[in-house]
Amino acid sequence: GAGVSQSPRYKVAKRGQDVALRCDPISGHVSLFWYQQALGQGPEFLTYFQNEAQLDKSGLPSDRFFAERPEGSVSTLKIQRTQQEDSAVYLCASSTGTGDYEQYFGPGTRLTVT
Amino acid sequence: DAKTTQPNSMESNEEEPVHLPCNHSTISGTDYIHWYRQLPSQGPEYVIHGLTSNVNNRMASLAIAEDRKSSTLILHRATLRDAAVYYCILRDTYNTDKLIFGTGTRLQVFP
Repeated sequence: GAGVSQSPRYKVAKRGQDVALRCDPISGHVSLFWYQQALGQGPEFLTYFQNEAQLDKSGLPSDRFFAERPEGSVSTLKIQRTQQEDSAVYLCASSTGTGDYEQYFGPGTRLTVT
Repeated sequence: DAKTTQPNSMESNEEEPVHLPCNHSTISGTDYIHWYRQLPSQGPEYVIHGLTSNVNNRMASLAIAEDRKSSTLILHRATLRDAAVYYCILRDTYNTDKLIFGTGTRLQVFP
């Protein structure tokens, strides 16, 4: 079946621009996660949704980062006024629900801020 | 969150077994041990997880020390496709769903 998809796969933004990254989770998956992965590092948690409710946003690095999942399926991660330090791969993952042991990851969106 | 310690890199030859170690001396009683791997230019993928007993699946085996302070991921016959970064992660399923990744072990497999 279809896995987690993310778009765009690559995004180049000039410093100061706003960007929106999309995640389509596996159909029926209740939980959705966003992670940020800097070059050479492991992924770092950003935020977590259960259906449309954002239950944890403790990992968002600043108020320039905003995530939403209005209908409990597709999610968008928005970054306002991008900075060079925002350059990273943004990964989305979904799982069937609370306590499920496996998260299914998408291929990521590579954001480069110039 | 409990921390894990892994070697930065390991090497193996194709078709040989690989033992990837992980230390987690501060593990708590409700922490599960999860392993994910990340192939180049892909998102991480689940490999295996366990609590106390050794576990086997089609991808790998997980050997857990009796005191649970360390574990070993075993790939029985490495292939070139197994070249990836392997992450050992402790996850308290009852308190949080997020994964806390470290820097992992980069496994190189030579033909």
